[in-house]
Order: sequence, then C-alpha cells, then structure tokens
Amino acid sequence: SQQGEEDPQALSIQEGENATMNCSYKTSINNLQWYRQNSGRGLVHLILIRSNEREKHSGRLRVTLDTSKKSSSLLITASRAADTASYFCASAHNTDKLIFGTGTRLQVFP
Amino acid sequence: DGGITQSPKYLFRKEGQNVTLSCEQNLNHDAMYWYRQDPGQGLRLIYYSQIVNDFQKGDIAEGYSVSREKKESFPLTVTSAQKNPTAFYLCASSPFVINYGYTFGSGTRLTVV
Repeated sequence: SQQGEEDPQALSIQEGENATMNCSYKTSINNLQWYRQNSGRGLVHLILIRSNEREKHSGRLRVTLDTSKKSSSLLITASRAADTASYFCASAHNTDKLIFGTGTRLQVFP
Repeated sequence: DGGITQSPKYLFRKEGQNVTLSCEQNLNHDAMYWYRQDPGQGLRLIYYSQIVNDFQKGDIAEGYSVSREKKESFPLTVTSAQKNPTAFYLCASSPFVINYGYTFGSGTRLTVV
C-alpha cells in the first residue's frame, strides 16, 4: 500500500492544550497537505506545505516538514472543542493524485 | 457560491443492483476524483479524471465504473461486481495544477441491504 501513516491514531486533550499529530510518507513529494473531516462529512483543506518549505503557519495551525525523514507534523495550538474531528495528511507526488494517510481522531474536551 | 455537490446523501442498494452516485462541481476544475472511505480508515482512490472524456483507474477500481462527458460532472457507478460496496464515498476536484488542494463534496453513504 502507498498509504501514508499517521500517529497517534487517536488523541484526547482538554480545551486550551496543544495537539500534535504526525505523518510519514514513503516517496519524494511535491507538497504535503493536511485536511480535516468532521464526523460523516467531507474533507476540508487546511494547509499545504511545499517540498522546499520547512514550516508554515495558518492561524492556530503550524505545519512542519522534514523531507530527509519523510515526515510532517501538524500542531493545533490552544485547542477548542470545535477542533474535534479527524485530521488527515495527504502527500502529492509526481502527478496531482494525493495519497492520504490513515488519519488521527482528535477529541477536545471542554 | 462555488462548490462540489454529491447526491444522494444516503443510498441503499440491493444485492445484484447497480447504483450511480452523482458528483457535480461549478468550480471550473479540470480534475475530479472518487475516493472510498471505510469506517475508521483513510481514503482510497477509486478513479480519477484530469480532462473531459478521459479517466484513469485508482488503487481500487474493480467493481466500479465512471464517465466524464462534461467538465462539471463525474458520476460513479457501483456495479454488482463490487462485492463489498458498503462505505462512504467522497468526490473531490482540483484545478490540476501542482500545489493546490482538493475541494471535497459532503459524501454519499452507501449501504447494501
């Protein structure tokens, strides 16, 4: 399987805490993307980091990319109950097909 | 507002039936994709199309068929050859340019009865 892997599979935290999820991929990439999925809904694009970038920010989101380790991390700072969702990384290779990871289920308790 | 629409939201299929899932976008995107998602798992690519009248198989195309007669539309047919079709199906589109994200529809949940 070409699927990437994410860890942890599930994460439970309190509101106000930071949440970190990690993603690994298998072959060289053009970019890596992170998506969010609320239960029973479609995915929403959060952020894209290109292969020549090491860190990117968007609001409370911070993404890092380490191409030597073929890994990325997503940090959500000051989490809120509304951040409860599944988060997926997706790697873009030589075509525009994305290969999705297995996802991290985040639960934020009020 | 531009977006991507999937219908129906819920679909029930009897054994041996073919069913068709609709996906329409008004984003003027060139590329469209169909993914399957099983409970607690990631997305697996079924078919994708980068241009009208052309499409390619993804990782799990067996038992599925598609057409791309119009830029806006990319319907997916789940045939009777698909032995385990119960899943959540997601359609997506993109501009077919590197370094752009996908826009997803809200999904169709298919159940075999």
